[in-house]
This record gives sequence, structure tokens and C-alpha cells, in this order.
Amino acid sequence: QPVLTQSPSASASLGASVKLTCTLSSGHSSYAIAWHQQQPEKGPRFLMSLNNDGSHNKGDGIPDRFSGSSSGAERYLTISSLQSEDEADYYCQTWGTGVIFGGGTKLTVL
Amino acid sequence: QVQLVQSGREVKKPGASVKVSCKASGYTFTNYGIGWVRQAPGQGLEWMGWISTYSDDTNYAQNLQVRVTMTADTAANTAYMELRGLTSGDTAIYYCARGVVAAGPLDSWGQGTLVIVSS
Repeated sequence: QPVLTQSPSASASLGASVKLTCTLSSGHSSYAIAWHQQQPEKGPRFLMSLNNDGSHNKGDGIPDRFSGSSSGAERYLTISSLQSEDEADYYCQTWGTGVIFGGGTKLTVL
Repeated sequence: QVQLVQSGREVKKPGASVKVSCKASGYTFTNYGIGWVRQAPGQGLEWMGWISTYSDDTNYAQNLQVRVTMTADTAANTAYMELRGLTSGDTAIYYCARGVVAAGPLDSWGQGTLVIVSS
């Protein structure tokens, strides 16, 4: 069963870009993942699914500012032109015999 | 558009059971399963399990499988999650989410149902 590791926190300035990382455990570098955003006091929202080759499928209505990429066991979420509403928790999710979530990254927009 | 609308807040005593509903619209209900995820106060997301709305097959998280039952009513386009033997540790927001397969991405989420377990 894979394990997902995320940094607990990240910060970036309004209008800048930020790249969040989700790392798959050893032996699971080929796994696809999904990225979810959870704004304060709200439920999660699906952003995209992301394959090990970097191809991704975004959810309905997700702005072009959100993109995904992959390198080895690392899966990335890049948010460009940061806006205040991007301040949120970001979770990666993968699957084995069931569903596994990373611990989440709290993004602060300065 | 795809919508998952959950039932309202619940307050339960320790030892009781709770049943949360999740009504789907905007897509063919039986083409996707429903996963359930919970979030304790200030904590991350915990997967509880998944039900196929087509076959009623289920896949439960090992730590919950003796206490949880997931069902689906295709006539009502509604999925249900029942959790028994509640303790204070079950206090959380419970979310349903759409997923094609048990082991796959969850691509649409309900608004969440707060369950408080308190004596």
C-alpha cells in the first residue's frame, strides 16, 4: 500500500506561482494520484487526476492557473498567478487496495 | 452539473449509531460508486470505504469494517453510510464523494455532514 508525503505548509505571494509536492513511497513511483483543494470551512474540491507521465485531467471549472506534473515518485501541483482564494489546504490522494490521502499542505498566500 | 447533497448535522450519544445520506444528481447514478471520507476536527482526510451503486459491492477501510455499513438506493439516487458503536473519536465531518472504482480518484464531493458524539 503506498504512502503519500506532503510538506505541512507552504507560502507564496499574491500573483506569484507556487509548486506543491506529493511524494509516493518507495516502490510506488508509477502510481497516479489526484489533487484536492479544501478552502477554509469548506469541503474538499477535486482539482485533477495526475498520471506518472505528467498527463492530467482537471475537474470541471478548474482554472488554467492550476496544473500538474510528475517526476519519478514526485507529483506536483503548480498554481500560477496566486489569488487570495487559493489559500487552502491541498491534499493528494492515491489508491491501492483502498484510498490513501497525504497529510495535506496548508498554503498561505502572503 | 454533478451534485452530491448530504443530510444534516447529527448529535449522538456514545454507543449510538448514525446514518448519513448522500443524494446524487446530474449524472447516471449507477455509473459511479460512492466513497465516504471523514475529517476529525483540525485533522486530515480519512477514507472510510466505497460502494458500487451498480452491484452493491463494498470495500471498507480495515479499521472501520466491523462498525460501518454502506448501502445505495438506486431508485432514490441516494447512498447511505451507517456507523455503529459511536465514540467521541468518531466526531468528525463526514463526506461522500463520487468515484468510478473503489481504488481511484474521487472526482466530486458532497458538502459534508457534521456528526458530534457527546454524552
